[in-house]
Amino acid sequence: DIQMTQSPSSLSASVGDRVTITCRASQSISSYLNWYQQKPGKAPKLLIYAASSLQTGVPSRFSGSGSGTDFTLTISSLQPEDFATYYCQESYSAPPTFGGGTKVEIK
Amino acid sequence: EVQLVESGGGLVQPGGSLRLSCAASGFIFSRYWMHWVRQAPGKGLVWVSRINSDGSSTSYADSVKGRFTISRDNAKNTLYLQMNSLRAEDTAVYYCARDSSSWGTFDYWGQGTLVTVSS
Repeated sequence: DIQMTQSPSSLSASVGDRVTITCRASQSISSYLNWYQQKPGKAPKLLIYAASSLQTGVPSRFSGSGSGTDFTLTISSLQPEDFATYYCQESYSAPPTFGGGTKVEIK
Repeated sequence: EVQLVESGGGLVQPGGSLRLSCAASGFIFSRYWMHWVRQAPGKGLVWVSRINSDGSSTSYADSVKGRFTISRDNAKNTLYLQMNSLRAEDTAVYYCARDSSSWGTFDYWGQGTLVTVSS
């Protein structure tokens, strides 16, 4: 199975900050990388698919980049509703695997 | 509007069984692969199982292989997960999720149903 490693596991940031979360795959996954946002008690929500494609309805302050083994999720200007846990997930092979998550907290 | 609504969770003793259901609406259910993903309390997301659009192909995580069975009824727009020989480590919120690409991109999720395995 492919291992997905996210960093950091948590971060504190202020409204308006630029936030970057990284995700590394244990082998090349081309651009088969998705990002999800999960708020407490809620289901995950797809933000970015295929490494850099914005899911319909997701604000443009979210962006994704990378290919191969190294990927990044960037929030250009953090908003109050963005405080949540973010997960990367590879869809290159079976079984699909998730990163351990990055919790974004209010500073 | 796409909706996925899980049901069937609850408290069950170790070794017991439970069947989860996921009722789909707002899209042509029979065209999509579907998955179950679970999340233990305070932990991350873990893929459990998937089924292709017509139900002819299934796949499972090693941790549930031989104990869980995924199935679907396209006439009823419903996905199922039959869980047998339950263990304490199966305690989790179980989500059903639609696969937008058949490559494991989960574009819609249900609200989840909690399964607690405890004596």
